Amino acid sequence: GENVEQHPSTLSVQEGDSAVIKCTYSDSASNYFPWYKQELGKRPQLIIDIRSNVGEKKDQRIAVTLNKTAKHFSLHITETQPEDSAVYFCAAIPDTGGFKTIFGAGTRLFVKA
Amino acid sequence: KAGVTQTPRYLIKTRGQQVTLSCSPISGHRSVSWYQQTPGQGLQFLFEYFSETQRNKGNFPGRFSGRQFSNSRSEMNVSTLELGDSALYLCASSTRQVTAASEQFFGPGTRLTVL
Repeated sequence: GENVEQHPSTLSVQEGDSAVIKCTYSDSASNYFPWYKQELGKRPQLIIDIRSNVGEKKDQRIAVTLNKTAKHFSLHITETQPEDSAVYFCAAIPDTGGFKTIFGAGTRLFVKA
Repeated sequence: KAGVTQTPRYLIKTRGQQVTLSCSPISGHRSVSWYQQTPGQGLQFLFEYFSETQRNKGNFPGRFSGRQFSNSRSEMNVSTLELGDSALYLCASSTRQVTAASEQFFGPGTRLTVL
């Protein structure tokens, strides 16, 4: 069945360093890849997304890259700040036959001041 | 615009009972998805409704069911509750076009505890 693997499960970085989270998906029909951030006790919120016709997308300190051939996509956060501490979820969604969203297991990011 | 709302926010039930959770999407959103969130399993897709039709279903037993009304509000029902059903149940709405997925806006969730 469809699966999204996300690594690492936990990531600890020093403030100002970069953080990279990687995801691999199995469903070749997937062509929409959002990333959600969930702070403790709060609901998930979209931070960036990418579609399969684009290889890279950037929004200030956040960027996402997609390698559709390898079925890999990654989230890059530069100049991390303590407020970036949260759980990050990747997801892969096909655009056909309904939108069954498969999330990765999540990465807990700690940014140490 | 008001965000996605879910009721109730907290629920305590005993094994064998059934429960109904409600989700009101953002006005104009026709797609509503439901997720189960547990510490060990992350966000697990339950089902998605679009214009009152269930378009996709996750790998959950038949005890989990849902429906969507003409105003896009959605309900999720779990029958014969088991201890393992204890979780945070999140719903999310989106403008979802016919041919393109889009951002999902999550509700605050319903915390279900089964004793």
